[in-house]
Amino acid sequence: KAGVTQTPRYLIKTRGQQVTLSCSPISGHRSVSWYQQTPGQGLQFLFEYFSETQRNKGNFPGRFSGRQFSNSRSEMNVSTLELGDSALYLCASNTRETGGANIQYFGAGTRLSVL
Amino acid sequence: AQKVTQAQTEISVVEKEDVTLDCVYETRDTTYYLFWYKQPPSGELVFLIRRNSFDEQNEISGRYSWNFQKSTSSFNFTITASQVVDSAVYFCALRGNTGNQFYFGTGTSLTVIP
Repeated sequence: KAGVTQTPRYLIKTRGQQVTLSCSPISGHRSVSWYQQTPGQGLQFLFEYFSETQRNKGNFPGRFSGRQFSNSRSEMNVSTLELGDSALYLCASNTRETGGANIQYFGAGTRLSVL
Repeated sequence: AQKVTQAQTEISVVEKEDVTLDCVYETRDTTYYLFWYKQPPSGELVFLIRRNSFDEQNEISGRYSWNFQKSTSSFNFTITASQVVDSAVYFCALRGNTGNQFYFGTGTSLTVIP
C-alpha cells in the first residue's frame, strides 16, 4: 500500500511569510505526528493529531499550528517565518501494532528554506 | 524525563567490516519502546526495528542485529559485513508508556567506504 506522502518536497520562502505543508498518511492510519529536523537541534516533536484532534504538542511557539481532516490528511502551518524555521519537516503516520506500541512510518519530508 | 543518547556522531568503516552503533536511553516508565530508524540522503526515515521493554531477547535480521540490555539502558545496533548501501544516518528513538511522542537521539552518521 502507498506510504506517507508529503507535499511539497521543497519550499523557499522569505522571512515574515507563512507556509502550509501537507501530509497524507498511510491508508487506514488515523494518527499523524509532525517533527522538525535541523542540524543543531536534531529531530524535535511538533504535534500529533488523531481523529482531527490535537492529542499532543511539543515545545514550539504558537506560530506553528496544524490540523487534521476527516480523511486523516494533515497540514501544518508556520506563520511569520523566521530564518531559524529552515528545516526538514517530517510527517509520521502512526499505527497501533501488536503489543500496544505504535510504529511511526515517515514520509520523505518537506525541506523548507527561509531566506 | 525521556532521553536518548547516541554518543557516536560519525563512524567510517571499510566495506565488509562489522560496526556497532550505540544507543543509551533514560526513562522512568516501566513500560517503554525502543526503535531504530535509518535516514538515507533522500531524507525519509526508514523504520528498522521496535523493541518492547519487557522483551530483552536480542534480534537478528539478516546482517542487522540488536542488543537490548535493560541493566545498562542500552539498545545497540550491529551491522555485520557492512555494505556501501548501509551508509546513512541512524537514529535510535524512545517512546514512553503514554502518548505517542518519540524521543530521538542525535543520530550516528555511518559511512561505508568501498
